[in-house]
Formats: sequence, structure tokens, C-alpha cells
Amino acid sequence: DAGITQSPRYKITETGRQVTLMCHQTWSHSYMFWYRQDLGHGLRLIYYSAAADITDKGEVPDGYVVSRSKTENFPLTLESATRSQTSVYFCASRVAGGGELFFGEGSRLTVL
Amino acid sequence: DAKTTQPNSMESNEEEPVHLPCNHSTISGTDYIHWYRQLPSQGPEYVIHGLTSNVNNRMASLAIAEDRKSSTLILHRATLRDAAVYYCILRTEGNDYKLSFGAGTTVTVRA
Repeated sequence: DAGITQSPRYKITETGRQVTLMCHQTWSHSYMFWYRQDLGHGLRLIYYSAAADITDKGEVPDGYVVSRSKTENFPLTLESATRSQTSVYFCASRVAGGGELFFGEGSRLTVL
Repeated sequence: DAKTTQPNSMESNEEEPVHLPCNHSTISGTDYIHWYRQLPSQGPEYVIHGLTSNVNNRMASLAIAEDRKSSTLILHRATLRDAAVYYCILRTEGNDYKLSFGAGTTVTVRA
């Protein structure tokens, strides 16, 4: 189906484990973003990518790693998960030059 | 970066209009005003955006003050499905990856 999809939608893991959240979009949008949403903080930008092989830090990048080898995929990896990374993660994409952001349904991550 | 200020919550009755205010007194000339909303358990979705002139689309209207220091999102006839958190965001031309989503306004619609 066309659109932007995230997987897994729900994940429970333990402190210290590596976790990868996947994001896939079918529109060939240049820009892709990862946000986290916590109560009291709204959405905060973790990383973004302007194109394949071009990524940059957002507001809260510590503890996260991203890659973008293909335009359509933008995985987010927590190399050693911590409890403070328990959150809902949203991926988004848009065309170059601004305009509407399209968000995925979110991935709810719980770190025990 | 320019910030926005919104009320924490608003209530409305079904089929009545809803006016959601947003203050952005430090807005710059190249900042676009965007509105997104987030339904429960979903990702945010785009509602509308504008620069200087009022804008209308199928979802809502955006009224922008002449000095651009404030704007109002207007939902003409609220439905139960419009119950959501509404975010007013400024997007700077040429630097627009930095969309800052604050706490937004939680809209409750009474049947």
C-alpha cells in the first residue's frame, strides 16, 4: 500500500539491548524525519535526512543512530536502549522544498 | 527560533464552530504558519498552512492577523472526529526541517 509505514508498532525490550525501528515510504520523498513523543514534551526531532546517505541531528539525537541507504527507508537504531528512551516514535516524510509532513502511525517502545 | 503559544485546551459543541488561537509574536518574514492535528493514538496530520493571507481548505480556515503576530484556526462545524490535539507551528523558509511541535491545544467536542 502507498504511504508511510512503521514497524514494529509495539515493542518491549530490556535495558542495554539494541532495537531498530523501521520506517518505509512509497512516495520517494526526499526528506524523512524521526520524532519522539513523550508526555509534557510534545514531539521532539531526533534525526532527519534530506536524501539518501545524507542525515543530520535534530534536537535529541543522543543514544540514537540512523542510516539511509535507500530513499524509501529510514531506520532508527537504539544501540543500547535505556529506560529514558521509552516513548512513542513517529517517522515522517515530505518532498524537498517544504510543505506538508506525512506521519506514520507511530511505534510505541517500552524499555524495561 | 520563533515560538508559538496556544491555550492548553478548548471545548466545543458538535456542529458549532471552533476558533483556535495561536500567538507568534516573534515571527519573522519568512516563517510560514502551519497547523497539524493529532487524533488519539495516531500520528499528526497536516491541516493547513499560510504566510500572509487567509487560507481555506476542506478541513479548516486559517485567519492570519495583519501584523502576523497571531493566527486563528477555524473549524467551521466541529464533529466528534475533530477531537484532537492541534499544533500551531512556524516553518522557516530554507530551514524548514526544524519544525517544533509544542504541547498544542487539546480540543474536546461534546455531542
